[in-house]
Amino acid sequence: KQEVTQIPAALSVPEGENLVLNCSFTDSAIYNLQWFRQDPGKGLTSLLLIQSSQREQTSGRLNASLDKSSGRSTLYIAASQPGDSATYLCAVRPNTGGFKTIFGAGTRLFVKA
Amino acid sequence: DAGVTQSPTHLIKTRGQQVTLRCSPKSGHDTVSWYQQALGQGPQFIFQYYEEEERQRGNFPDRFSGHQFPNYSSELNVNALLLGDSALYLCASSWGGPARTNQPQHFGDGTRLSIL
Repeated sequence: KQEVTQIPAALSVPEGENLVLNCSFTDSAIYNLQWFRQDPGKGLTSLLLIQSSQREQTSGRLNASLDKSSGRSTLYIAASQPGDSATYLCAVRPNTGGFKTIFGAGTRLFVKA
Repeated sequence: DAGVTQSPTHLIKTRGQQVTLRCSPKSGHDTVSWYQQALGQGPQFIFQYYEEEERQRGNFPDRFSGHQFPNYSSELNVNALLLGDSALYLCASSWGGPARTNQPQHFGDGTRLSIL
C-alpha cells in the first residue's frame, strides 16, 4: 500500500533563506509526483509535476527533484519570501491499482519578514 | 480561462441529512476527481469520473456517490451525514481520463462542510 510522508510537518524560516521540503513514498511504482501549495481555507495550486522518467522540474524560484528508486522527492525554494508562507503538499500517482492520487499530510511553512 | 469552480463555498448540515456538492471543471477538461480533506491532513481520494462513469473509487462507504453530466460537470452526494464527514471537499479536473497519467490535476477552492 502506497504511503506518502512529508518531513518536517512545520517549518519557520527568516526571509531570504533557501529551504528544502522533503517527501518520501513507499512504492516506487508511480506515474508521476506533483507538488502543490495550499493557502489557509483554500484549494490546491499545482506548483510542479515530475513524470516518473524525469529527475527534476524547475519553475522560477522552485526546483523539485525526484529519485524514484529511493522513494524521495525534494522541493527547493530559493530566496524565500513571506508570500511563500503556506502548506506544501506532495502527491504521487501510483501506476498500480488504479488512478487515485495519494497525498502526504503536508509541510506548513512560515517565512518571517 | 475559468478554472475549477465549486459550489457552495460553505455548508452547514446536521447529522442524518443529505448534501450535494457541485463542481465545474476547468475549460477543456473532461475528467473530475473528488477528494475529502480533514483538518491538518492531506486530501483523500473519493472517486473519479470520466465519460459520465465512475472509474476509480477510494476507501469511502456507499453513502458517498457521484455523477458526471454531459458537459463534464460533476456532483458529489453524501447521505446520512455523520459528524466525521466534516471536512473540506475538493474537486480536481484534468484532461483525457484516467489513462492520461501525465496530465496535472487542477483543483478548485473546495466546499467547507460542517456537520452539527
